[in-house]
Amino acid sequence: SAVISQKPSRDICQRGTSLTIQCQVDSQVTMMFWYRQQPGQSLTLIATANQGSEATYESGFVIDKFPISRPNLTFSTLTVSNMSPEDSSIYLCSVSGTPTNEQYFGPGTRLTVT
Amino acid sequence: GNSVTQMEGPVTLSEEAFLTINCTYTATGYPSLFWYVQYPGEGLQLLLKATKADDKGSNKGFEATYRKETTSFHLEKGSVQVSDSAVYFCALKRNQGGKLIFGQGTELSVKP
Repeated sequence: SAVISQKPSRDICQRGTSLTIQCQVDSQVTMMFWYRQQPGQSLTLIATANQGSEATYESGFVIDKFPISRPNLTFSTLTVSNMSPEDSSIYLCSVSGTPTNEQYFGPGTRLTVT
Repeated sequence: GNSVTQMEGPVTLSEEAFLTINCTYTATGYPSLFWYVQYPGEGLQLLLKATKADDKGSNKGFEATYRKETTSFHLEKGSVQVSDSAVYFCALKRNQGGKLIFGQGTELSVKP
């Protein structure tokens, strides 16, 4: 299994500002994913980030709002831009293991927008 | 399309009771099936998995069997503990590079 860390673990931000969340993995992985978990809800995939290519966004999520970087095989960032209270959620980084089909999750970043 | 449906929560049990959380799925082909657990204030942990029909995944006393004929992957535990209180997510993945699709989650509360 992979060990995944995220920074920050939580933050309280003002409306209209941006926050960048970092995800670090202890091994090289091809596929990294970013999820959002709104309060009391299930997980929704925001985008898939592969090293060396543009992130692939799911329906309802756009690059201008959630820009993603993937500079190498162990690190990725997700930025939540121009935040509003509706962006208050837990944001989770995830990686896909190979050759298994398992997927592992970081501890999450709990974001509150006031 | 592909989807996962779980029984609604919250589920409240007394310690040492038998647990079943129902999960059914819709998918083409033969997806891999997973149960994840999210303890309060934490991220998701992989609890168990099954990759083909009739496989049984097991971990920490929890079990689930991949039933192709009923498209189900119900989670069971014979005797729950207070420490099992968490939210449980059923999920499927169609292939190695595919998306993980989650059910809505079932909150379990175990009382002493």
